[in-house]
Amino acid sequence: DSGVTQTPKHLITATGQRVTLRCSPRSGDLSVYWYQQSLDQGLQFLIQYYNGEERAKGNILERFSAQQFPDLHSELNLSSLELGDSALYFCASSVEGSGGLFFGSGTQLSVL
Amino acid sequence: DQQVKQNSPSLSVQEGRISILNCDYTNSMFDYFLWYKKYPAEGPTFLISISSIKDKNEDGRFTVFLNKSAKHLSLHIVPSQPGDSAVYFCAARTTSGTYKYIFGTGTRLKVLA
Repeated sequence: DSGVTQTPKHLITATGQRVTLRCSPRSGDLSVYWYQQSLDQGLQFLIQYYNGEERAKGNILERFSAQQFPDLHSELNLSSLELGDSALYFCASSVEGSGGLFFGSGTQLSVL
Repeated sequence: DQQVKQNSPSLSVQEGRISILNCDYTNSMFDYFLWYKKYPAEGPTFLISISSIKDKNEDGRFTVFLNKSAKHLSLHIVPSQPGDSAVYFCAARTTSGTYKYIFGTGTRLKVLA
């Protein structure tokens, strides 16, 4: 158990809809990262937050947004969903400078 | 632009033999390299790491080698066990402004009993 909690584990929705993925980092970790893993693809970095502030952006679509709340949990919002958004979405947390990420078990999103 | 590349999508090795997983990178600013292991339906789990100022790090059956001149790192697993069968991701960290981790596409290792 990495200590990072992601909910829900599975999400099935239709094209055009909007969903919210939730992540609770490990106790004490201030950084939260979001990654997307599509079929046969590596982990694509989406966005990073540190103590409530956006720190870095990767290949995140404009239809996607995220935030980190005062209690440090984070939410990834995906809107106007398309079939190609179907993927595993991982959240990871870290202590800055520790040299590693701790991943949650992911949310499997299926857009039908 | 794929800054971290794992050119072998899969690898099969006999139990007890050595598994060698390879990773190439293009960015000289990476300061830290990590290997993660991923089982189906689980998140990646940290396996071993190496700082860019070192060329080898060992932890039990796992050893990571870094060749900075070739921009290449490798993970050696000796001896390989069936439980090692998983997808292995190589990752590199850059610290330009904040810590950012770039992952390769993964190598699926199958250890045959």
